Amino acid sequence: TQLLEQSPQFLSIQEGENLTVYCNSSSVFSSLQWYRQEPGEGPVLLVTVVTGGEVKKLKRLTFQFGDARKDSSLHITAAQPGDTGLYLCAGSSGSARQLTFGSGTQLTVLP
Amino acid sequence: DAGITQSPRHKVTETGTPVTLRCHQTENHRYMYWYRQDPGHGLRLIHYSYGVKDTDKGEVSDGYSVSRSKTEDFLLTLESATSSQTSVYFCAISESSSNYGYTFGSGTRLTVV
Repeated sequence: TQLLEQSPQFLSIQEGENLTVYCNSSSVFSSLQWYRQEPGEGPVLLVTVVTGGEVKKLKRLTFQFGDARKDSSLHITAAQPGDTGLYLCAGSSGSARQLTFGSGTQLTVLP
Repeated sequence: DAGITQSPRHKVTETGTPVTLRCHQTENHRYMYWYRQDPGHGLRLIHYSYGVKDTDKGEVSDGYSVSRSKTEDFLLTLESATSSQTSVYFCAISESSSNYGYTFGSGTRLTVV
């Protein structure tokens, strides 16, 4: 069973601060995805990274896939209250037909 | 145009009764999944389908069964509901392999009393 560990589990910061969320595993993934989930809704896909060392940017969000494809990070610059939500990473082993999800990071950005 | 809808959105049922949750998609995607989400456990896969009448078990499949008789519908049945099955259930769809990301429904909050 492949496991994905996310840290921190909870994060509360002030508007304007920067933050980084981590997603780590001992397993190699063929791709890794990040989702954001708001209360009462399903997760929404933010990005997919597939190449070791890959960096993708989505406005103030920067996603990186580790060189060995075992870990990933999400960095948010100048966080805003609208960034509040549960951030989930999910990995695919390629041969598997399903994703393995991390337990999530609950982010709260205070105005 | 949600593309994927779950019904019901909320349900309260008694221990020992059967319960069926429905997931309906309009995207004609091949892959469909049922997850449950519980505090501290994240999303855990119950069952998934890779085509009509083709299904397989996930990591927490005990007590659950699924059926997919049409591309657009994926049903999750709790044979005899227990309090441990109180959870939020999410359906997801995927066009191709898991590398391409999932689209999730809005979830069904199930309470077993």
